[in-house]
Amino acid sequence: IAGITQAPTSQILAAGRRMTLRCTQDMRHNAMYWYRQDLGLGLRLIHYSNTAGTTGKGEVPDGYSVSRANTDDFPLTLASAVPSQTSVYFCASSDIDRSYNEQFFGPGTRLTVL
Amino acid sequence: SQKIEQNSEALNIQEGKTATLTCNYTNYSPAYLQWYRQDPGRGPVFLLLIRENEKEKRKERLKVTFDTTLKQSLFHITASQPADSATYLCALGVVDSSYKLIFGSGTRLLVRP
Repeated sequence: IAGITQAPTSQILAAGRRMTLRCTQDMRHNAMYWYRQDLGLGLRLIHYSNTAGTTGKGEVPDGYSVSRANTDDFPLTLASAVPSQTSVYFCASSDIDRSYNEQFFGPGTRLTVL
Repeated sequence: SQKIEQNSEALNIQEGKTATLTCNYTNYSPAYLQWYRQDPGRGPVFLLLIRENEKEKRKERLKVTFDTTLKQSLFHITASQPADSATYLCALGVVDSSYKLIFGSGTRLLVRP
């Protein structure tokens, strides 16, 4: 693989179910991010990780958790999905040791919670 | 409150003309600003970066300006082509512990042949 991949591409989920969105990058970037994109609201940061073993909360972290066990993977978990979490989710990565943080995005996961 | 605003209405222009997109922000002090392109069903793709001490940046047919006094960035595409049709996002780089970007909601550009 080259770049950043996400799985699944899309998912329909019943409310209350647990779901993990997967994200993998092969660029050896130290930083990774999860965003959600909703119509009219743009991209909003959910969680981020500056390096393996550390994570931080973004603008809209409630209902989501992340882990960063290694450099390449950054899964996002919805412990108990609710309809307001219906959105398109994008994972991104960047090399923050280089200046100015150009971010590389995955293709997105379209999640529908019913 | 902190805001970053892009024109939510689509910009519709004729092929060959210059497209100008605007990004305004309030109550932020960004160290840099980036522009991304997003096509339907795809993730954003980085286009250009401009630092707070730079007034203008160019890359091929693209030009970005950054006015920290007006708190505004303008993004220009000269000699526009139908293939330039997409949504363009601006993003502020706020240097803190998170190295995060704060995105605007984007402006859709339609270039008519």
